[in-house]
Order: sequence, then structure tokens, then C-alpha cells
Amino acid sequence: QKEVEQNSGPLSVPEGAIASLNCTYSDRGSQSFFWYRQYSGKSPELIMSIYSNGDKEDGRFTAQLNKASQYVSLLIRDSQPSDSATYLCAVIRSGGSQGNLIFGKGTKLSVKP
Amino acid sequence: DADVTQTPRNRITKTGKRIMLECSQTKGHDRMYWYRQDPGLGLRLIYYSFDVKDINKGEISDGYSVSRQAQAKFSLSLESAIPNQTALYFCATSALGPSSQETQYFGPGTRLLVL
Repeated sequence: QKEVEQNSGPLSVPEGAIASLNCTYSDRGSQSFFWYRQYSGKSPELIMSIYSNGDKEDGRFTAQLNKASQYVSLLIRDSQPSDSATYLCAVIRSGGSQGNLIFGKGTKLSVKP
Repeated sequence: DADVTQTPRNRITKTGKRIMLECSQTKGHDRMYWYRQDPGLGLRLIYYSFDVKDINKGEISDGYSVSRQAQAKFSLSLESAIPNQTALYFCATSALGPSSQETQYFGPGTRLLVL
């Protein structure tokens, strides 16, 4: 089983809709979870981090974590064409530091005007 | 000015050549990382360093070496480049914050082509 799995997409949503991005991880002891956004040819940019079960909201973005199900998601409300990018889920292995940050392969999101 | 810079931004080299990719940061972070990104494979960690005297191998260190010349500088070397090292290379930095939480900040990347 891959350590961090994401649907590669592309996920296509109309402008103004909610985009839902999902990620599962295999290490049950993981405690730190991140969502990065990466525009084509650019570097990853952190948009959300989450450490506790439940929801964490920041503007149009909501991260959801369910450690029992080993599942983390990112919701983007009122999606805009500028949100079109690849979204990378990243997890720190249990007992590890950022030296043990494992990335998923990313989900490509396309927001249609 | 960018907080994390990488040079060169693009590089074409031939098989067998030695090349060095450089990373500098002005964020004052102790921790620095080198990743490569390949289509379909995502980001993979090559080496990381938690301070000037600390160097650790990542997931895919074979064929690479690193040097931490100063807190702000972390270089990646390919001693004898081969075509499957063609990739996009990212440097990243982080610092331990409250509650041992930290965030990685990425440089703009170096696109390397090995012929």
C-alpha cells in the first residue's frame, strides 16, 4: 500500500462550486498533515496544515481530518479558475519530523469558468 | 527578494558530468531539504539537514551528495549525472515552531535535463 494516496484526477468543477479533494494515508500513527498547492511549473505552496481530528477552516479552504479512517480532505468553496492547480497531500510519518514528510502524487484540479 | 533561492533555474548537462545545484535562504531556518519531482511519481526526498553539522539521507539519495556550507546554504551534487536524474529539483526550508509544528517553504526549483 502506498503511504499517501490521492486520486490523480483531473477533477473538474464549475466556477463557484465546491471542490473536494481526498487523501488517505497508511501510517496510523501519523500526527501532522498538510495540503500544498502547486501551479504548473511552480513550487509547492502550503495552504493548510491540520493536526487534530475535525475541521479547520481558512477562508475558502477547509481541511478535514479523520485519524480513525486515516483520511484527510480539502474542500475549496466558491471555486475560482485561479484555483486550478495540482493539490498535494503530505503526511509526517509517526515519530518523525519534517525529514519524514511523505507526499502524495497530487490531484489536478480544473475549475471551469 | 525571494526567501529561498535556487541556482541555476535551468540546466542541461551530459551523461557523466558533475553538476552542483545550489540553494540559499534568508528565512533563518535551521532545516533544509532537497527533493526531486518527476511526473507521476510526486515529490521525493533526497537529503535533509537539520543544522550545519547534520546531514541525513532521504528516500532516494543514491547518486547524489550534499554539502551544508552554512546555515543558509545547502548544495546538491550529482557526481556523475545520468539521464534518469532528469527531473525538477526543489530545495525547501523549515523551522521548528510552537508545539513542535513546522512548515516547509519551497524554492522556485531547478529544471535539470541530462542528455
